[in-house]
Formats: sequence, structure tokens, C-alpha cells
Amino acid sequence: RKEVEQDPGPFNVPEGATVAFNCTYSNSASQSFFWYRQDCRKEPKLLMSVYSSGNEDGRFTAQLNRASQYISLLIRDSKLSDSATYLCAVRGGGSYIPTFGRGTSLIVHP
Amino acid sequence: SQTIHQWPATLVQPVGSPLSLECTVEGTSNPNLYWYRQAAGRGLQLLFYSVGIGQISSEVPQNLSASRPQDRQFILSSKKLLLSDSGFYLCAWSARPGLAGAGELFFGEGSRLTVL
Repeated sequence: RKEVEQDPGPFNVPEGATVAFNCTYSNSASQSFFWYRQDCRKEPKLLMSVYSSGNEDGRFTAQLNRASQYISLLIRDSKLSDSATYLCAVRGGGSYIPTFGRGTSLIVHP
Repeated sequence: SQTIHQWPATLVQPVGSPLSLECTVEGTSNPNLYWYRQAAGRGLQLLFYSVGIGQISSEVPQNLSASRPQDRQFILSSKKLLLSDSGFYLCAWSARPGLAGAGELFFGEGSRLTVL
């Protein structure tokens, strides 16, 4: 089993839709969780860290489910500009280096 | 504020030629530094990481090497490139474990390498 797994997608949604991605991790001792956004042929950029209680940043909501070992990213009112690949990263459990998932591709169409 | 730059942005190299990619970080001290590679349609593969000057850890055996001659400088090298070295190379930094924001990675703009 891979350490961090994501559905590669693509998720194809219309503008204004709500879309959610999950990311599962195998190491139950993981401590820190992150979502990154990567535009085509660009570097990944930190979107948000994921806190135990969940956190929200505008249209984006991140949740952590430790019991089931996954994190989620919810995007409300999707914009065309949200089209990108969303990478999750997990850190801890004996390593301070985050492990990345392969990413989930999101395409928002008019 | 902290910034990270890497260069060159794009390069096309013949098989067997050498490689040198450079990365510098500004606005922070004692960062952890990383080199990743992202092949087309693939995830991020950690190649090297460094916790200090001259301290390099390799994650994947290969014909690449890394060096950290200064606190905020990280260099990726190869003496002889292979076709399989083609990819998108990303340098990144993070704060030290225990510091605020540790674990959050900040990436350079990337270097796209094509080996022919």
C-alpha cells in the first residue's frame, strides 16, 4: 500500500459546483497534513495546512479524519481558475519530511 | 519575506553530458533544503534533502548528486545524464522541525530538463 494515495481524477465539474477530494495515508503516527495546488507546468504551492479541528479559507475547507486516516479538501462555488492538480502531503511518524500523493486533477468548465 | 529561486528554468541536454542546477533561498536561515523530481504524469519523487551545510541525504540511488556549499544554496549535479533523467526538477525549502511552519514546503519555479 502506498503511503499517501489520491484519486488522480480528473474531476470535471461545472462552474459553481462543489467538489471534494480525499487523500488517504497509511502511517497512523502522521502528525502534519497539507494541501498544495499545482498549475500545469508550474511548481506546487501551499494551499493550506490541515488542522485537527478542520479549517476553512474562503471557499476551501480542509478536514482531517484520523480514525479513517484521510484528509479531505472541499471547494465550494468552483471557479474556472480552480482548475489545477491538488496534491496532499503528510508528515510525521518518524520523519519530518512530507510525503506527497500523486495529486488529483480538477477541471472546472463553463 | 522568504524567496526561493532556481535556475536554469529550461534546458535540453544530450545523453552523457553533465548537469548543474542551482537553487538559492533568501530571507531565512538554516532552512531544510530539498530536491524533488516530477516525471511527466507522475508524483513528486524526493531525491535529496539537507539539514545543513555539507549534510546531504540521498533518497534514491541514481547518477545524480547534490551539494550544499552554503547555508542557503543547494546544487543538483550529474556527471553523465541518462535519458531517464528527463523531468521537472524542483528545489524546496522548509523551516526546521520544531519551528512554526515546519513541514510546509516552499518550492522554486522548477527546472525542466529534457535529455535527448
